[in-house]
Amino acid sequence: DAGVTQSPTHLIKTRGQHVTLRCSPISGHKSVSWYQQVLGQGPQFIFQYYEKEERGRGNFPDRFSARQFPNYSSELNVNALLLGDSALYLCASSLGQGLAYEQYFGPGTRLTVT
Amino acid sequence: KQEVTQIPAALSVPEGENLVLNCSFTDSAIYNLQWFRQDPGKGLTSLLLIQSSQREQTSGRLNASLDKSSGRSTLYIAASQPGDSATYLCAVSPRMDSSYKLIFGSGTRLLVRP
Repeated sequence: DAGVTQSPTHLIKTRGQHVTLRCSPISGHKSVSWYQQVLGQGPQFIFQYYEKEERGRGNFPDRFSARQFPNYSSELNVNALLLGDSALYLCASSLGQGLAYEQYFGPGTRLTVT
Repeated sequence: KQEVTQIPAALSVPEGENLVLNCSFTDSAIYNLQWFRQDPGKGLTSLLLIQSSQREQTSGRLNASLDKSSGRSTLYIAASQPGDSATYLCAVSPRMDSSYKLIFGSGTRLLVRP
């Protein structure tokens, strides 16, 4: 079975631009979470979506938004990019929303903002 | 606010050594604790998951322990190999959080020298 997939693998953007990152969960998984990992640090929680609804949000500005589609795939959107948004963006999927469900991570999208 | 700390930040050992990585957390109200491995620029691979009611978990040469009352976990790696070189991250899921988010430490970068 395919694991969590993310696209693109790398991209370079300029300050002020907008970016969309995509995630496809493991087949049958209904929950998707997004994390930001700045170089040298651990991942930080951005969003969780379950059954197409936002179920949790981390301490990130409104420039960050996300959505989940009927097939449970998800997009993370970041507007007005800043240099500090340069990071590895990780997507994780799980069968359900609750604490009992283990999360499985994708390979990430490396975003560089110049 | 839950905080996760990992010590040491970096570790270099000769091949064959047994080693211990440390993780501490400030709030004992956790649902579970996970250890992940991350290769440079890659996503996260789950190594071991310990439920809050458990004391330890084992997988091959890896053993993770959990002492919830003291807010500590250790990852023991037996007979280390160069292929074990990676960053090891520990993460907790807060029990009282409505979203299944993980709170990560900054990781320990391990180098096993041949």
